Amino acid sequence: DIVMTQSPESLAVSLGETATINCKSSQNIFHSSNNKNYFAWYQQKPGQPPKLLIYWASTRESWVPDRFSGSGSGSAFTLTITSLQAEDVAVYYCQQYYNSPYTFGQGTNLQIK
Amino acid sequence: QLQLVESGGGVVQPGTSLRLSCVASGFIFSNYGMHWVRQAPGKGLDWVASMWYVRDNKNYAASVKGRFTISRDNSKNTLYLQMNSLRADDTAIYYCVRGGSCSGSNCLQEPFDLWGQGTLVTVSS
Repeated sequence: DIVMTQSPESLAVSLGETATINCKSSQNIFHSSNNKNYFAWYQQKPGQPPKLLIYWASTRESWVPDRFSGSGSGSAFTLTITSLQAEDVAVYYCQQYYNSPYTFGQGTNLQIK
Repeated sequence: QLQLVESGGGVVQPGTSLRLSCVASGFIFSNYGMHWVRQAPGKGLDWVASMWYVRDNKNYAASVKGRFTISRDNSKNTLYLQMNSLRADDTAIYYCVRGGSCSGSNCLQEPFDLWGQGTLVTVSS
């Protein structure tokens, strides 16, 4: 199984500042057949289901503001949130969809400092 | 409107069974891979099972293999999860999730782009 390791587990950032969350996979999740990283980020707010935030490592969903960006390739990935807003408070999960079982990271709890 | 609506959760005793259902709307259900993902109280996300219509391909997490069965009825736009021999550690919110698409017999795993609101399963004596 591919293990997804997120860091940090929790993070407190001031409004308007930048939050950075990292995720590493235990194996390469880049598919050379289509040049895609099978990697996604999800946002989950309290009492709600997760929502897809970024996929193919760096493509934002249509609802996502450009303050959110994803980067990385192979086995190391980063979610960056610039100009942090109060509505960004949530738990963020990374996931690989390269192979079953489609594993998630343990989550990063993002709070306002 | 794109939607997944789960039902069937409840409180059951260890060793018993439960069947979850998920009704899809707003998209061509048969063209998509479908999954169940669960979340224990206060914990992270845990993929449970997936099913593609093409080739009747099914996959399970090791923790549920042999106890849970995923199935689908494309004529009813419905995904199911039959859960047998339930244990306390199966207690969780179960989400129905869309992820992956097929064009003819060619299927591509894709991110989990549509989630239901979830149904709570509590296994307790």
